[in-house]
Amino acid sequence: DVKVTQSSRYLVKRTGEKVFLECVQDMDHENMFWYRQDPGLGLRLIYFSYDVKMKEKGDIPEGYSVSREKKERFSLILESASTNQTSMYLCASRGQGDRFFGPGTRLTVL
Amino acid sequence: AQTVTQSQPEMSVQEAETVTLSCTYDTSENNYYLFWYKQPPSRQMILVIRQEAYKQQNATENRFSVNFQKAAKSFSLKISDSQLGDTAMYFCAFMSHNYGQNFVFGPGTRLSVLP
Repeated sequence: DVKVTQSSRYLVKRTGEKVFLECVQDMDHENMFWYRQDPGLGLRLIYFSYDVKMKEKGDIPEGYSVSREKKERFSLILESASTNQTSMYLCASRGQGDRFFGPGTRLTVL
Repeated sequence: AQTVTQSQPEMSVQEAETVTLSCTYDTSENNYYLFWYKQPPSRQMILVIRQEAYKQQNATENRFSVNFQKAAKSFSLKISDSQLGDTAMYFCAFMSHNYGQNFVFGPGTRLSVLP
């Protein structure tokens, strides 16, 4: 089974802090994704990566950056967290077939 | 740009009954994929069922089946013999055939299965 893991299930940070969310997949997938999930809005794509060191902006990249130094790891960075970034963050990976999702990180910014 | 609409924010169904979740989408493409994902409370999102637009036959996975109406751009999910474990958020999603990164989710339907 594909495993996609995320570093934290719950995270509480303060406004202005730098936040790192990490995602690891164990199936050698080329494509990895970061989504934000908010009630009534479904999942919105923040960034995706189709190879090591490659990244593309999704629909809502503002306020976020990403890093993919190794194939199995895709990090989402909030340079200066703000309260409107309080949300559920989902990582996903995909090879040639379906997307597989991580368990999500519920981030609260106070 | 593609859009996916789920018009039922919340639904409930009695255990063992059948329920249908609605999904409509908008696209100008002819080849694409449609998905239903399930996200149980505090648990991982998993794929329930997949439909390829060029296949006329509706996809089925055990108690889950879809009614795919390509001309109407409708993709509903039917859950038969509902079980308590079916309680979850259900997301309909669209993926372009040519651009695999273009994956659009609907807003979700929260389904509660009542004992």
